[in-house]
Amino acid sequence: DIVLTQSPATLSVTPGDSVSLSCRASQSISNNLHWYQQKSHESPRLLIKYASQSISGIPSRFSGSGSGTDFTLSINSVETEDFGMYFCQQSNSWPHTFGAGTKLELK
Amino acid sequence: EVQLVESGGGLVKPGGSLKLSCAASGFTFSSYAMSWVRQTPEKRLEWVATISSGGSYTYYPDSVKGRFTISRDNAKNTLYLQMSSLRSEDTAMYYCARLGGYGNYDAMDYWGQGTSVTVSS
Repeated sequence: DIVLTQSPATLSVTPGDSVSLSCRASQSISNNLHWYQQKSHESPRLLIKYASQSISGIPSRFSGSGSGTDFTLSINSVETEDFGMYFCQQSNSWPHTFGAGTKLELK
Repeated sequence: EVQLVESGGGLVKPGGSLKLSCAASGFTFSSYAMSWVRQTPEKRLEWVATISSGGSYTYYPDSVKGRFTISRDNAKNTLYLQMSSLRSEDTAMYYCARLGGYGNYDAMDYWGQGTSVTVSS
């Protein structure tokens, strides 16, 4: 199975900061990597698909990059509504797996 | 508006069975692959099953293979998850999710609100 390692586990930031979240795959997954946001008591929401493709309705401050084994989700100027959990997921091969998540919290 | 509404969760004893349903609306259900994903009490997300748009192909991780069965009724716009031989580690919130237009390998672009399953004696 492909293991996705997300870092850091927790990121404490101030609104207005720009941040990068990392997701590393245990083997190459090309660009078959997706990012989800989950706020408290809500369902996950797709933010970025195929490493860097934007999603309709998602603010432009969210962007993704990477390919192969190393991927990054960037948030340009964090807003208070952005606090929550962020998960990466690979769909390159079965079983499709998720990372353990990064918690973005208020400093 | 795309809507996915899960139902059927509850408390079940170890070794028992449960069938979850997901009612879909706001899109052409028969054109999209669908998945079940669960979130453990520790908040980890785990992919549980995927079914192709026509229902011919199904995929499972080893953790549920042989115990869970995903199915769909495209005439009723409904997705199902039949769970049997349930274990305590199956305790989770279960979400149904739509896969994007690229089929079985696409991202999950819409999620339901979830239904809770607790396996305990």
